[in-house]
Amino acid sequence: NAGVMQNPRHLVRRRGQEARLRCSPMKGHSHVYWYRQLPEEGLKFMVYLQKENIIDESGMPKERFSAEFPKEGPSILRIQQVVRGDSAAYFCASSPKLLAGGVNEQFFGPGTRLTVL
Amino acid sequence: GESVGLHLPTLSVQEGDNSIINCAYSNSASDYFIWYKQESGKGPQFIIDIRSNMDKRQGQRVTVLLNKTVKHLSLQIAATQPGDSAVYFCAEAAGANSKLTFGKGITLSVRP
Repeated sequence: NAGVMQNPRHLVRRRGQEARLRCSPMKGHSHVYWYRQLPEEGLKFMVYLQKENIIDESGMPKERFSAEFPKEGPSILRIQQVVRGDSAAYFCASSPKLLAGGVNEQFFGPGTRLTVL
Repeated sequence: GESVGLHLPTLSVQEGDNSIINCAYSNSASDYFIWYKQESGKGPQFIIDIRSNMDKRQGQRVTVLLNKTVKHLSLQIAATQPGDSAVYFCAEAAGANSKLTFGKGITLSVRP
């Protein structure tokens, strides 16, 4: 059973360009989470999605950032008009649909390291 | 607001010794706590978790202790090995399938 897959692993963009980050959850997982990690810091929650629905986007910047998890295909985190401050590692995690009272183990992918020049 | 923090930024231990990493949290509604290990250039790797209805849980060479009274979480690693060198994060969540709130991380360095 393959783990969470993310691509690309490294992405370089110039200021003003668009960045698209992809995440394929583990087989059977219907919940996807995106986190951002700045150097020497912990992960910060961005958005939580289920298939075709955004459940919690409280950590997403109001502008330039969007996320989707379509019925078919990977989850996409899209950053428009990137700025240098967007340079970070972006991690995706997935978890299965749980019964009430279940634990919330999230399995993380290897991350995409975005560098904005 | 919600916060999860760690008391020490780095920890250096002798190979074979036990390691203890501490974490404080502030959200009383959190009911699920996890320790993750992150090696350079990789994603966080699950180590052990604990629910709020427990105060101790043991895994292979690792033990997590939860003290809800003082909102404190700790990770104990027995017989620390060089392969344990990494950054360790505690994280908390309130409710199933909810977001994780991470602490800043502590670097564990194992001396040979």
